Amino acid sequence: QQQVKQSPQSLIVQKGGISIINCAYENTAFDYFPWYQQFPGKGPALLIAIRPDVSEKKEGRFTISFNKSAKQFSLHIMDSQPGDSATYFCAARPSGTYKYIFGTGTRLKVLA
Amino acid sequence: DAGVTQSPTHLIKTRGQQVTLRCSPKSGHDTVSWYQQALGQGPQFIFQYYEEEERQRGNFPDRFSGHQFPNYSSELNVNALWLGDSALYLCASSLLTGSIADTQYFGPGTRLTVL
Repeated sequence: QQQVKQSPQSLIVQKGGISIINCAYENTAFDYFPWYQQFPGKGPALLIAIRPDVSEKKEGRFTISFNKSAKQFSLHIMDSQPGDSATYFCAARPSGTYKYIFGTGTRLKVLA
Repeated sequence: DAGVTQSPTHLIKTRGQQVTLRCSPKSGHDTVSWYQQALGQGPQFIFQYYEEEERQRGNFPDRFSGHQFPNYSSELNVNALWLGDSALYLCASSLLTGSIADTQYFGPGTRLTVL
């Protein structure tokens, strides 16, 4: 069974702090790793994504770090803001398929 | 430019009934995927449609079926509903480009409650 394990389940960060969410996978045959942000009552929205041949990708305040040998990838949110309070999902796409396997989500709360 | 739209927003059904959910993809997109998101969980892949055919299916029973129309819109049908089918059903659209990064754009979902 292909799985993506996500931690922590919930996270509280002070405004201006760094939020870090981690994911690990058990199957090496994944070829794409997106992160999604979901606000209550809304569908997930793509935040940032990375391919396994890249170790780091940065877009604004959001950075993905990818460790292929450890089968882990993480999302860093720099200068976290109250507007970043949402649920974040990591996902992975098995090679040769069209589906995404999602983690269980991390509920982030940024305190003002 | 309209994003992915889904209807209805909310739906209440009783056990044993059948339900049809609808999705219109983002303009210019030709591929539609359906996901089930239980409360407090990540979305789970049901199936994907491209060129009016089911291209891939997740681990869901045959009670879940779908259809894609020539205008790329799609329907998800669930027969013989049971309590465990209560969830947020998400539609995601994408454009088949052959690129590894075919971004999936999600709609707001349909909240299905089975009583």
